[in-house]
Amino acid sequence: NAGVTQTPKFRILKIGQSMTLQCAQDMNHNYMYWYRQDPGMGLKLIYYSVGAGITDKGEVPNGYNVSRSTTEDFPLRLELAAPSQTSVYFCASRSKDRSGEQYFGPGTRLTVT
Amino acid sequence: QKEVEQNSGPLSVPEGAIASLNCTYSDRGSQSFFWYRQYSGKSPELIMSIYSNGDQEDGRFTAQLNKASQYVSLLIRDSQPSDSATYLCAVSGNTGKLIFGQGTTLQVKP
Repeated sequence: NAGVTQTPKFRILKIGQSMTLQCAQDMNHNYMYWYRQDPGMGLKLIYYSVGAGITDKGEVPNGYNVSRSTTEDFPLRLELAAPSQTSVYFCASRSKDRSGEQYFGPGTRLTVT
Repeated sequence: QKEVEQNSGPLSVPEGAIASLNCTYSDRGSQSFFWYRQYSGKSPELIMSIYSNGDQEDGRFTAQLNKASQYVSLLIRDSQPSDSATYLCAVSGNTGKLIFGQGTTLQVKP
């Protein structure tokens, strides 16, 4: 199993550009999450999904959008990138019955200049 | 008040010593508590879970929970340089979502 995969690993965006961060998991997990981690800080939840077709906002959703058309994929869309979105983005997934046992992808380091 | 608070450190201990990391949380309804380890430039990985008051041991790691004091701790015995990392405390309520603390950086010096 590849676990949770994320692409790209690194990206530099100009202010106002848009992009999609890809996330996929092959563990048949219902629950998937997007977090951002700023330097020296913990993880902040952006969006999450409890299954295909169902998404909900987390703590810091502004400036982002998500979709969940399949169990495996959970892309995160950044529209009109801003410097405040410079961060490391982690995707995570878990099974339905293991609430705290989240498996994380390797992360995407995004810089907006 | 932050929902989950940790001292950011760094906490420096000599090799072979016990490292003690602490975490407090504000939501009395929290039900599940977790410690994740994050090496520099890497993603977090779960190392300990605890759900009821008392101690939970796994090898050199012991998680301690005191719900009355809203306090969770992680003890690492016989600390090794390979334990040098940031340790994230995470708390879950009945929504199933995790709230993370900012993490404590541990440095184990040979």
